[in-house]
Amino acid sequence: DTAVSQTPKYLVTQMGNDKSIKCEQNLGHDTMYWYKQDSKKFLKIMFSYNNKELIINETVPNRFSPKSPDKAHLNLHINSLELGDSAVYFCASSQYVTGPGYGYTFGSGTRLTVV
Amino acid sequence: AQTVTQSQPEMSVQEAETVTLSCTYDTSESDYYLFWYKQPPSRQMILVIRQEAYKQQNATENRFSVNFQKAAKSFSLKISDSQLGDAAMYFCAYRSARDTGNQFYFGTGTSLTVIP
Repeated sequence: DTAVSQTPKYLVTQMGNDKSIKCEQNLGHDTMYWYKQDSKKFLKIMFSYNNKELIINETVPNRFSPKSPDKAHLNLHINSLELGDSAVYFCASSQYVTGPGYGYTFGSGTRLTVV
Repeated sequence: AQTVTQSQPEMSVQEAETVTLSCTYDTSESDYYLFWYKQPPSRQMILVIRQEAYKQQNATENRFSVNFQKAAKSFSLKISDSQLGDAAMYFCAYRSARDTGNQFYFGTGTSLTVIP
């Protein structure tokens, strides 16, 4: 009964490969996010979707493409992986419309290592 | 973009003692929300406490309380009766009440060690 689940938890891959990280939430939230946590633990937003519509698209390489098939899922696809993409990627969700002051519910993160 | 500053990269506290983690933020807005998140070694981000800027009363959740100073743009977290399980990275976060994207701005974190 995990609220926000990400898979996989760990991902080790070679440079140049394409990989995807999946995220699903069963909270009924209408907004989902991808955040990147770098090696210094800094968290920065990458994308935000509200009811399957892209709301925030920060300056990230276009090798990163989010896909939201429905409001309970937000996947992250990364093409042509580079060493600098190594980080922990967090998915999160929130109920924007009725609860803008409430915090996110985070997934447990995916540690991506590019070798 | 808003800026959230945590000036203490590392802190330590004796078990059962009290520790305060500092956070300042920069904004021109009057309506916003502030949060403290905890990230233990398991990597899971856990919401500790939240504060609405329009409320003068400081939020409290069991052993966790905040000192919210709106004029000074300060939002410190006090942990009382520290326990070993409190050891974690703590992040302060800001969210505008008018941000259509519901974006959070995080500080750089404070690593808290609890000494037995």
